[in-house]
Amino acid sequence: GAVVSQHPSWVICKSGTSVKIECRSLDFQATTMFWYRQFPKQSLMLMATSNEGSKATYEQGVEKDKFLINHASLTLSTLTVTSAHPEDSSFYICSARGVGSAYEQYFGPGTRLTVT
Amino acid sequence: GESVGLHLPTLSVQEGDNSIINCAYSNSASDYFIWYKQESGKGPQFIIDIRSNMDKRQGQRVTVLLNKTVKHLSLQIAATQPGDSAVYFCAESAHRYNFNKFYFGSGTKLNVKP
Repeated sequence: GAVVSQHPSWVICKSGTSVKIECRSLDFQATTMFWYRQFPKQSLMLMATSNEGSKATYEQGVEKDKFLINHASLTLSTLTVTSAHPEDSSFYICSARGVGSAYEQYFGPGTRLTVT
Repeated sequence: GESVGLHLPTLSVQEGDNSIINCAYSNSASDYFIWYKQESGKGPQFIIDIRSNMDKRQGQRVTVLLNKTVKHLSLQIAATQPGDSAVYFCAESAHRYNFNKFYFGSGTKLNVKP
């Protein structure tokens, strides 16, 4: 149980285009989802916290107009990287927390974004 | 976010030996800690957790120790195996102040030599 999927697993896009990444909880309902980015050989950096039905809360330094987050249902959150640039190339990972769960979060497999 | 760091960026051990990975954190309000394992190109995988009202917790081949006085925790892996080779992260959370958001340390790469 507690499986989180991400789609796509990797994507290559041209500079200036937008890319949407999906995060789904497959066998549980997630009231909260988190989005992280990870540069090569570095740690995970929390970007934003997404609660179902409400606006995402962004960490300091993360541009909310750049990284659009939508959490429209209890099983799906999306991250859209708008007007992508090469510096946005990174590994994006989501995690999900189930209804009634205080701390536990389950991670997706990540999405590798390369902007050319 | 809170500062969570690690002392050793890379650790090489012989197969069968015990491994100890360390982590320091700076937020004295942190009350919950998790160790994650991340293999190349994959998302983090939960290993073991510990709450601040404990100083030790054991799992299968793993033990986490928490020293709140010096804000330090460690992950001990017994009889390290080649499959344990990965990057290990500690993550900490302060329930009262940030609704259980987690902040990750910089990571330690564990190399297990056969």
